[in-house]
Amino acid sequence: GAVVSQHPSWVICKSGTSVKIECRSLDFQATTMFWYRQFPKQSLMLMATSNEGSKATYEQGVEKDKFLINHASLTLSTLTVTSAHPEDSSFYICSARSFPVGGQRMSNYGYTFGSGTRLTVV
Amino acid sequence: TQLLEQSPQFLSIQEGENLTVYCNSSSVFSSLQWYRQEPGEGPVLLVTVVTGGEVKKLKRLTFQFGDARKDSSLHITAAQPGDTGLYLCAGEGWGSNYKLTFGKGTLLTVNP
Repeated sequence: GAVVSQHPSWVICKSGTSVKIECRSLDFQATTMFWYRQFPKQSLMLMATSNEGSKATYEQGVEKDKFLINHASLTLSTLTVTSAHPEDSSFYICSARSFPVGGQRMSNYGYTFGSGTRLTVV
Repeated sequence: TQLLEQSPQFLSIQEGENLTVYCNSSSVFSSLQWYRQEPGEGPVLLVTVVTGGEVKKLKRLTFQFGDARKDSSLHITAAQPGDTGLYLCAGEGWGSNYKLTFGKGTLLTVNP
């Protein structure tokens, strides 16, 4: 089945530094990827939609300059948290719609999620 | 903005009991998806329902999609400790707006 590889799985960084999180679709092409943020025991909050070769679309209230998204190829999207602060500490998850090349839906299509990145800013 | 109301948010039951989780919206979705998430991991797709009135079964889990495609339910029969986790429903938008809208999730604990 479709696999999305996300890394690092956890990272600790100092306040003011930047952190890059990568998400790769391993066996399918993902023209669109989604980035979420999740607080403990809460649901996923969509931050932005990442489109290959074009600018990301950010949800209301998400700072574009703080959360930089790059989707340079059909299999790779990155999220960079710039000038991180302790309040940016969270669980970040990416996902891609699991349609293989050619647009044919798999029998039980859905969105494949990465394993998440636990970011702690100290 | 499309909203999904998921209930209950927390559920703690004994092994062997049955339970139902509900997902309701005033919006119509192109599909509704159910995920399960373990701590420290990404959500894993359980099922996608597309057709109004559709019922899908996955072992002890039964998923229903309402006739009007605005609501869905997840029923677990004879719950086991291994069913413990965060269950999330998510509605998919239409056409170019196919991003997922998530419910708040149901944190299920099944006690032995």
